[in-house]
This record gives sequence, structure tokens and C-alpha cells, in this order.
Amino acid sequence: ETGVTQTPRHLVMGMTNKKSLKCEQHLGHNAMYWYKQSAKKPLELMFVYSLEERVENNSVPSRFSPECPNSSHLFLHLHTLQPEDSALYLCASSPGTSNEQFFGPGTRLTVL
Amino acid sequence: KNQVEQSPQSLIILEGKNCTLQCNYTVSPFSNLRWYKQDTGRGPVSLTIMTFSENTKSNGRYTATLDADTKQSSLHITASQLSDSASYICVARGGGGYNKLIFGAGTRLAVHP
Repeated sequence: ETGVTQTPRHLVMGMTNKKSLKCEQHLGHNAMYWYKQSAKKPLELMFVYSLEERVENNSVPSRFSPECPNSSHLFLHLHTLQPEDSALYLCASSPGTSNEQFFGPGTRLTVL
Repeated sequence: KNQVEQSPQSLIILEGKNCTLQCNYTVSPFSNLRWYKQDTGRGPVSLTIMTFSENTKSNGRYTATLDADTKQSSLHITASQLSDSASYICVARGGGGYNKLIFGAGTRLAVHP
């Protein structure tokens, strides 16, 4: 285990649902990230938080809304998603934004 | 344009055999290159990291090479085991900062008995 946990591990939701993904890191890191991983494509960086401040929003649609209440927790709020949003959503953390990132196990999201 | 290309896209080998995965990168400036292993249903886990001045680095049965002149890296797996079945992702860092990480699409390796 890398010290980064994600819940739920699997999520199926309809396009009109609202759900949230949770990430928690037990490593004392100051930076946290959300990535989207689609089949046969490179990881796509979505959001970056450094010391609880959002420092990157990589042109992500507003139906994805991140929240970082403290340096150990990161959420991704989902609403009115599209089927093409189905993917593995990975959370990562690092001591600083220039250091090695440690990944959680991911949430496998399916949008019907 | 900064990018990382990996080959092959997928590979099947028999248990006990060796294999080599390739990574070509066009990242400038170049800081380091890392190989990750991602098991099915899990997040990526770092195997090795190599800087500009390093040519070879080993981690057990995994050996990574880096040629900074040709901008190529390889990951060699010796005496493969069933547990090596996973995706292997090459990531190049082009300087400091989170936004300088360039990910490859990965090579999917299947080791069969």
C-alpha cells in the first residue's frame, strides 16, 4: 500500500446523479492530485492542490468539482456526468509539487 | 511538443522469459524519467527513476536504461513471473513542477504460464 486510499473503489451512476469520490493520504504530503485514466490513453491531470489551494484546473468541465478541506483529504464531486466520463479516477499525493507522486488504487467510474 | 511514446502497446510472453519495453520521449528541458508498474485495479507504483546522468538502474529483476542523446529508455524484465502481468508506464519530467510530468500511454504486459 502506498498510503493513499480512495473510496469507493467502484461506482456506477446515471447521468442525473450526484456523487463524490474521496481520497485520503496518510503520508504528510502537501500536494494532492486528481487524474483521469481512460483505456489506452495517458493519464490526464485534472486538478492539483498545494497546501489546500487549487493551483491547477486543467480545462476540466464544470461537472467535475474538486474540494480539498485539509492537506490529507481530497474530494471530487460529480454531477450530470456523460458516458464518456467513464474511466479510472486516480488520486495522488506528493511532498511538494516537484516530488515523486504516490498514487491511490483509483475509483472505477461507470456512467450509464 | 512534449510527449512520451511507448512500445509495444501490448505484449504477451511465457513465464520465465525476458522482455524489453521501450519508451521514446521528446521533453525539454529534461529532468528525469520514471517507470511505473500498474497492476489491474490498482494505482501506479514507481519502479525506478533515472536522471540525465544515469545510464542503467536496476530494481530486482527490473533494469531500466536511459540514453539521453537519443531520448530513449527501456525497461528490461528478467525471468518473468506471473505477477509481472501489469501495465508499465513511462513518465518523463521536463523540469520542476507538477505540470512538467509527461505520461506515456503504457505497455500492457501479460505473462502466461
